[in-house]
Amino acid sequence: ETGVTQSPTHLIKTRGQQVTLRCSSQSGHNTVSWYQQALGQGPQFIFQYYREEENGRGNFPPRFSGLQFPNYSSELNVNALELDDSALYLCASSLEAGGDGYTFGSGTRLTVV
Amino acid sequence: AQSVSQHNHHVILSEAASLELGCNYSYGGTVNLFWYVQYPGQHLQLLLKYFSGDPLVKGIKGFEAEFIKSKFSFNLRKPSVQWSDTAEYFCAVNSYNFNKFYFGSGTKLNVKP
Repeated sequence: ETGVTQSPTHLIKTRGQQVTLRCSSQSGHNTVSWYQQALGQGPQFIFQYYREEENGRGNFPPRFSGLQFPNYSSELNVNALELDDSALYLCASSLEAGGDGYTFGSGTRLTVV
Repeated sequence: AQSVSQHNHHVILSEAASLELGCNYSYGGTVNLFWYVQYPGQHLQLLLKYFSGDPLVKGIKGFEAEFIKSKFSFNLRKPSVQWSDTAEYFCAVNSYNFNKFYFGSGTKLNVKP
């Protein structure tokens, strides 16, 4: 097992900019979910991708968007960054849409200044 | 909307003490329930999960949890904690169709040697 890898590990952006975060899913997993974890809070579900299609979305505005590629890796894009977007962004993969629980990556720490 | 409540934000115990962390969820449909642990400096790891069947589930490292449907609860227990159990614990719920995953705000456990 290779686990879930995320890049970059840390990132600093300016308000109004756009950012792309990347995630490689665990080998054999076809589902990827993204979460935002603000300091002192639990992870908040952003959206899930299953076989390259969005398959569920949390309460996040449209400026949060994503992609899943044929190899099941994924990107999270955030446009028009706001200060409140500063958080740890977690990616998790699973086999078949999460029925067996997710394997989490270590996250990308995004700071918006 | 679904929500997950963890009542204890910070718990301090001495080694060998018993542990019970509360988790309540609000969702009218069928759910799957999870407990995740995050050790200092590490990523989220699955402790245990409940899908159906015996409401008392056993996980890794001596942890167990009991699903009480009438109380919408899924409390985590361990009879005797160790210093190495110091971590943050998250309860999580996903909807039966698996496309949304909700976490509680977490409970920080500090076990004193």
